[in-house]
Amino acid sequence: DSGVTQTPKHLITATGQRVTLRCSPRSGDLSVYWYQQSLDQGLQFLIQYYNGEERAKGNILERFSAQQFPDLHSELNLSSLELGDSALYFCASTPTSGGTGELFFGEGSRLTVL
Amino acid sequence: SQQGEEDPQALSIQEGENATMNCSYKTSINNLQWYRQNSGRGLVHLILIRSNEREKHSGRLRVTLDTSKKSSSLLITASRAADTASYFCATARSSNTGKLIFGQGTTLQVKP
Repeated sequence: DSGVTQTPKHLITATGQRVTLRCSPRSGDLSVYWYQQSLDQGLQFLIQYYNGEERAKGNILERFSAQQFPDLHSELNLSSLELGDSALYFCASTPTSGGTGELFFGEGSRLTVL
Repeated sequence: SQQGEEDPQALSIQEGENATMNCSYKTSINNLQWYRQNSGRGLVHLILIRSNEREKHSGRLRVTLDTSKKSSSLLITASRAADTASYFCATARSSNTGKLIFGQGTTLQVKP
């Protein structure tokens, strides 16, 4: 158990809908990272937050947004969903902002868009 | 695009044999890490090797890093059926961009 909690574990929705994925980092960790894992694209970095502020941005679509709240949990919002958004979405956390150390991953949220 | 490329994409061996996976990357790195993922589960950190290190061991794992060739290898000795998983290399670039870039992974099957 990494200490990172993600909800929901599974989510099935329709095209055009909006979903919110939630992540609680390990106790004491200030950085949260979001990754998308799909069969064709592999594991893609989406975005990082550190202590409430956006720190780094990757291949995140404009239809996606994220935020980190004062209690350090983070939410990833996916809107106008398309079939291709079906994937495993992982959250990871670290104590610092550097991003070069070990990442602690949650078990992921599996999104299926029908 | 992904920083790391791994080969082979898939590897099938018998229990007790050694498994070797390779990772190549493109830019200067601060460190290189290996992660393991059981089917559909979260990734688990295995080992980190810094750019000024050439070899590192952890239990049955041995990692080498050749920065001149921009490549790394992960050796799992005396493999077990429980080692069946996907293995990913991830690079932290020298310019601190606050993210790890993952390779496509090697799927290892260890037959009992």
